[in-house]
Amino acid sequence: SQELEQSPQSLIVQEGKNLTINCTSSKTLYGLYWYKQKYGEGLIFLMMLQKGGEEKSHEKITAKLDEKKQQSSLHITASQPSHAGIYLCGADGGYGQNFVFGPGTRLSVLP
Amino acid sequence: DAGVIQSPRHEVTEMGQEVTLRCKPISGHNSLFWYRQTMMRGLELLIYFNNNVPIDDSGMPEDRFSAKMPNASFSTLKIQPSEPRDSAVYFCASSRDRGLRAFFGQGTRLTVV
Repeated sequence: SQELEQSPQSLIVQEGKNLTINCTSSKTLYGLYWYKQKYGEGLIFLMMLQKGGEEKSHEKITAKLDEKKQQSSLHITASQPSHAGIYLCGADGGYGQNFVFGPGTRLSVLP
Repeated sequence: DAGVIQSPRHEVTEMGQEVTLRCKPISGHNSLFWYRQTMMRGLELLIYFNNNVPIDDSGMPEDRFSAKMPNASFSTLKIQPSEPRDSAVYFCASSRDRGLRAFFGQGTRLTVV
C-alpha cells in the first residue's frame, strides 16, 4: 500500500522567513493534495497536483510535484502567523488504492 | 452551501456504550469518506462510499465499527460497543468524485472514558 512521509515533522520560523515542507511517496502519485489543519478544526484544501513537474501557487504558497510524481514540496514565502497550523499531504494511489495522508508537519510562525 | 456538516462536534461516552456519528455531505457530491485522526496514527481512511455504496471498508478497524449511507445526503458511523482506544477525532469528507478535491467537515471529537 502507498505510504507518505513528510519532513520536517515540525517547524518553527520567524515571521517573514521562507520555508519548505516535503512530502515523499513510496509509489507513483496519481493525485497529490495539500491540506492545512488548525487545531481542533477540519482540513482546508490548499492545492491539488496531478501532472509530473506541475507547479501551483496560491497567494504566498507554492506547491510542486516532481517529474517522477513521487515527491512534492510546499513552499511558503514571507511566512505570517496566519500560516501556522498542520500541513498534510494526501495522495490518491489510483484505482484500487486507498487515499492516504502523510503524518503532517506542524508549523509555528513567531511574530 | 454550508459545507460538510458533522454532528455532534463533541461526544463523551462511557466504555461499552453505543456511539453514532452523523454526516451530511455537500449536495451533489457522490463520494463520501470517513476518517479517524489520532496523535499516534495520524489521519486514517476508515471507509469510502460512492453513490451511497460502500466501496472500500478495509480501513474499518474491527466489527465494532459500522457505517451506513442510506441516501445521498446522510451517513452514519456507529461504534458498538465503544472502547477508550476509540477516542479520536472523526472526520467526514465529501467530493464530487473520487480523485477530486475533498471537502472536510469540522470533525467529531470522541472521548470514551
